[in-house]
Amino acid sequence: DTGVSQDPRHKITKRGQNVTFRCDPISEHNRLYWYRQTLGQGPEFLTYFQNEAQLEKSRLLSDRFSAERPKGSFSTLEIQRTEQGDSAMYLCASSLGRVPFTDTQYFGPGTRLTVL
Amino acid sequence: RKEVEQDPGPFNVPEGATVAFNCTYSNSASQSFFWYRQDCRKEPKLLMSVYSSGNEDGRFTAQLNRASQYISLLIRDSKLSDSATYLCVVTDKLIFGTGTRLQVFP
Repeated sequence: DTGVSQDPRHKITKRGQNVTFRCDPISEHNRLYWYRQTLGQGPEFLTYFQNEAQLEKSRLLSDRFSAERPKGSFSTLEIQRTEQGDSAMYLCASSLGRVPFTDTQYFGPGTRLTVL
Repeated sequence: RKEVEQDPGPFNVPEGATVAFNCTYSNSASQSFFWYRQDCRKEPKLLMSVYSSGNEDGRFTAQLNRASQYISLLIRDSKLSDSATYLCVVTDKLIFGTGTRLQVFP
């Protein structure tokens, strides 16, 4: 399978705990995006990377959220001191990145986070 | 006004019907638009890009109206398998709409 993969697929945690999600993009894709989606809403942009550089962060990304893409390949999204409002599907997408913002994004299956 | 707006639906249509969805955007400088399909509890999957000249892929037609700042998706001869949520996205702004839910019934 050469698509975008995410791990874990489901995560249940208690409020106050830290969680980390991983995304492996399609191998030749330079851009990697993180989104959050709640029921009945479209995906909300969180942040994106061009290779290893984090180029933009949404104001939705509070100080408790941090994302990395250290070698320009896989990425991690960490949420510290989780709150119940963090419960959502966290989606990762990747794109070639040759033509900024106009190339097609391909999504991974998502990580569903439940904060108790 | 939201930057990208869609009628959430649901649109309930019989098999074989033609159905159309619109998606309005507020930023006139927006350049790039796509339609995605999302099944319940699954990730969005690319349906088609939206070109200025319009484009067609089988039963699906996407169009862009820059003057009125909306994109549209037309589905002809609806199938049961078309039941899903259809998301529009303004890619250069990285903004998705909330999606329009389509339910095709026998």
